[in-house]
Amino acid sequence: DTVMTQSPLSLPVTPGEPASIFCRSSQSLLHSNGYTYLDWYLQKPGQSPQLLIYFGSNRASGVPDRFSGSGSGTHFTLKISRVEAEDVGVYYCMQALQTPITFGQGTRLDIK
Amino acid sequence: EVQLVESGGGLVQPGGSLKLSCAASGFGFSGSVVHWVRQASGKGLEWVGRIRSKVNNHATEYDASLKGRFTISRDDSKNTAYLQMNSLKVEDTAMYYCTRLDDGTWGQGTLVTVSS
Repeated sequence: DTVMTQSPLSLPVTPGEPASIFCRSSQSLLHSNGYTYLDWYLQKPGQSPQLLIYFGSNRASGVPDRFSGSGSGTHFTLKISRVEAEDVGVYYCMQALQTPITFGQGTRLDIK
Repeated sequence: EVQLVESGGGLVQPGGSLKLSCAASGFGFSGSVVHWVRQASGKGLEWVGRIRSKVNNHATEYDASLKGRFTISRDDSKNTAYLQMNSLKVEDTAMYYCTRLDDGTWGQGTLVTVSS
């Protein structure tokens, strides 16, 4: 199974400041078709997860441009350029290259 | 509007069975891969399994830890997917979501509680 490891697990951030979350996979997530099967999700309190980034760096529909994804192979980063109060929740990276599909442990972002 | 709505959760005794439903609307359900993901209270996301479309013979795959207790099926005529859960254990207690991971569509979840 592909193990997904996130850091940090807790991230207190001052509004308006940037934030970064890191995700490492135990195997490369690059498919032979050229796509990297790494997604980022945000689960706000009491809600279902919502897709932020797919294929490593593509913002999902309706996602603010303050969110960006980068990385390749086994190392990935989610960046929030300026954190807002509505960004509070748990962020997960997820690999969909192979089954079982696996998620990172989650990073809890809250406001200082 | 693209939507997935789960139902069928509830309280069941250890060793019992439960069948969850996932009703889809707003998209071409028959051509979609449907996944089930669960989340114990205060814990992370855990993939349960998936069912492919008819063109892929409705093939299913599961997390190995479930050891054959769970079965995913679908009825494309009803735009509905199902999760049959047998020999339930206390540790199966969780919110169960159906999702189209391909486009990030998730249902609101249905809560399953396994307790005596």
